[in-house]
Amino acid sequence: EVQLLESGGGLVQPGGSLRLSCVTSGFTFSNYAMTWVRQAPGKGLEWISGLSHNAGTINYADSVKGRFTISRDNSKNTLNLQLNSLRPEDTAVYYCAKEGPVAGTFNSWGQGTLVTVS
Amino acid sequence: DIQMTQSPSTLSASVGDRVTITCRASQSIDIWLAWYQQKPGKAPKLLIYRASSLESGVPSRFSGSGSGTEFTLTISSLQPDDFATYYCQQYIRDWTFGQGTRVEVK
Repeated sequence: EVQLLESGGGLVQPGGSLRLSCVTSGFTFSNYAMTWVRQAPGKGLEWISGLSHNAGTINYADSVKGRFTISRDNSKNTLNLQLNSLRPEDTAVYYCAKEGPVAGTFNSWGQGTLVTVS
Repeated sequence: DIQMTQSPSTLSASVGDRVTITCRASQSIDIWLAWYQQKPGKAPKLLIYRASSLESGVPSRFSGSGSGTEFTLTISSLQPDDFATYYCQQYIRDWTFGQGTRVEVK
């Protein structure tokens, strides 16, 4: 069974930093692209960052470019997201997700971790 | 950036109804469109990819169609478990979600 478990969320002041992690199991992590999607309270989904199976290709949404850094450790089946220079508008539930049946889709998600910037 | 616009924002329906949700892209995305279902407090679930391909394990009452800039998600006979919010997502260039369509009890 594919499982993704995020951690690292919490309350942080504006300008602060957090590091989110997503520990995975049940699939060959090193074979799949991974992504982070966030959802502000009561709002829709926003893709924020993704990277290829070997981290050779990394992409960021304009809203987080230069502030957030995505990385992966294929030896530990773990995806990470470093959040710096946090703003109140970064308050959201952050989900990690695994690439789906075609590149660009996401067919397994974690339960999410809440980041509150206040 | 490619913008995705869903309509309606909210849809009131009854069990057994045929439900259709529309998603429009600001430019052509060919068939690179996915649909997700999300229930309150839960992660999204992939339903449809490549505009019309059904994800494994998803009931056949869900179907997708369209290409270019206009797409639809249809639920042929709404079931109690289908009351949720639905999102379209393009993946031809970066990744963008629509704003969501909430399907509520009429």
